[in-house]
Amino acid sequence: LVLTQTPLSSPATLGQPASISCTSSQSLVHSDGKTYLSWLHQRPGQPPRLLIYNISNRFSGVPDRFSGSGAGTDFTLKISRVEAEDVGVYYCMQTSRFPLTFGGGTKVEIK
Amino acid sequence: QVHLLQSGPEVKKPGASLKISCKSFGYNFTNFAINWVRQAPGQGLEWLGWINTHNGNTNYEHKVMGRITVTTDTSASTAYLELRSLRSDDTATYYCTRDGLQLVDDALDIWGQGTMVIVSS
Repeated sequence: LVLTQTPLSSPATLGQPASISCTSSQSLVHSDGKTYLSWLHQRPGQPPRLLIYNISNRFSGVPDRFSGSGAGTDFTLKISRVEAEDVGVYYCMQTSRFPLTFGGGTKVEIK
Repeated sequence: QVHLLQSGPEVKKPGASLKISCKSFGYNFTNFAINWVRQAPGQGLEWLGWINTHNGNTNYEHKVMGRITVTTDTSASTAYLELRSLRSDDTATYYCTRDGLQLVDDALDIWGQGTMVIVSS
């Protein structure tokens, strides 16, 4: 099960929106009806941290400028207004089935 | 406070074995599964394996099957990753991470600080 992220790199403008896509080679809908697609953010030199789970649920403490959407095989992470602390690499990840897999990552940097 | 604390950096020679520990704090260790993920320098994230900390069931990535063993010591609230027959391409930062189960629909909600492993002759 391959997750493909686009773009690989996203030069962002402070205060402007940014968007990252994640496409799965197979449907991520589990037999229980849920879709176990999450988004992680990793700053340089730090471990990843969870942003979004189950497509669109923000993890505790995540600002509401982050939102997730999608269904089936196509998913999107949006940042409504990019802030300086949002730089780093974003990964989508599926935990619907083993082996767990990650997207290749999208690097967000400020223009 | 809920967190995972990993053991320190390692330097190993090719062919050697590695064992990294991951101690949990702030929650009931056997209520949540643990995954191991690694990241080669400048690269993305790669899932390696999973353990059900309640019953010890495991699942491993095919690429490392046969070289990897994930175990737990529930009395110490600690998970371990053992990787054998190390190669230079095992050089990476290794992370343990908690499966948050019903709290976050099986997303990986808590991450250790990472353990840097260098495999070099």
